[in-house]
Amino acid sequence: GNSVTQMEGPVTLSEEAFLTINCTYTATGYPSLFWYVQYPGEGLQLLLKATKADDKGSNKGFEATYRKETTSFHLEKGSVQVSDSAVYFCALSDSKETSGSRLTFGEGTQLTVNP
Amino acid sequence: EPEVTQTPSHQVTQMGQEVILRCVPISNHLYFYWYRQILGQKVEFLVSFYNNEISEKSEIFDDQFSVERPDGSNFTLKIRSTKLEDSAMYFCASRQLAGVTNEQFFGPGTRLTVL
Repeated sequence: GNSVTQMEGPVTLSEEAFLTINCTYTATGYPSLFWYVQYPGEGLQLLLKATKADDKGSNKGFEATYRKETTSFHLEKGSVQVSDSAVYFCALSDSKETSGSRLTFGEGTQLTVNP
Repeated sequence: EPEVTQTPSHQVTQMGQEVILRCVPISNHLYFYWYRQILGQKVEFLVSFYNNEISEKSEIFDDQFSVERPDGSNFTLKIRSTKLEDSAMYFCASRQLAGVTNEQFFGPGTRLTVL
């Protein structure tokens, strides 16, 4: 079955540091890949997505590239801010065009950015 | 901006009691989902719902669980006889269209505590 593995957390950085959160996946076919973010007290929000190999998703300074050869979708940001403190989830949805299209999530990574 | 809402935000119940978790999806969305996250674990898919019937369910979604869209706006998850291990955060999500590339919008979650 499908699975997603994220780097061990939590991650603590100083403001303006470079961020990488690793994500690798196992799936049959050609899944779509997503990063969701959860701010304290809120629901999961889509941060970015990529639907085919070599696509780069980007939003709010974050980016991730769909790497089929390494089955990875690592999240990066060049300069984090205190407001980026949140939990980040990597997820995939399989390629079947059905009404289901469940999301399979990674463990989540807690990011704390200190001023 | 339209959003998915969930009530209550926190539900405490005794083992063996029935609980109903409520969700109001975004009004023009057609696909509805429940996920759960046990503390410290991954977000897990429970069930998807389309056209007034379950389209996909996970192995977690056994006979103790049921879903319903009783009135065209609410989407409910019922747990018939709660167990200690049902304690988790439950997230509702909705999506407008079919296809894996279309975003699922999540609610803020209901924290269920079974004593």
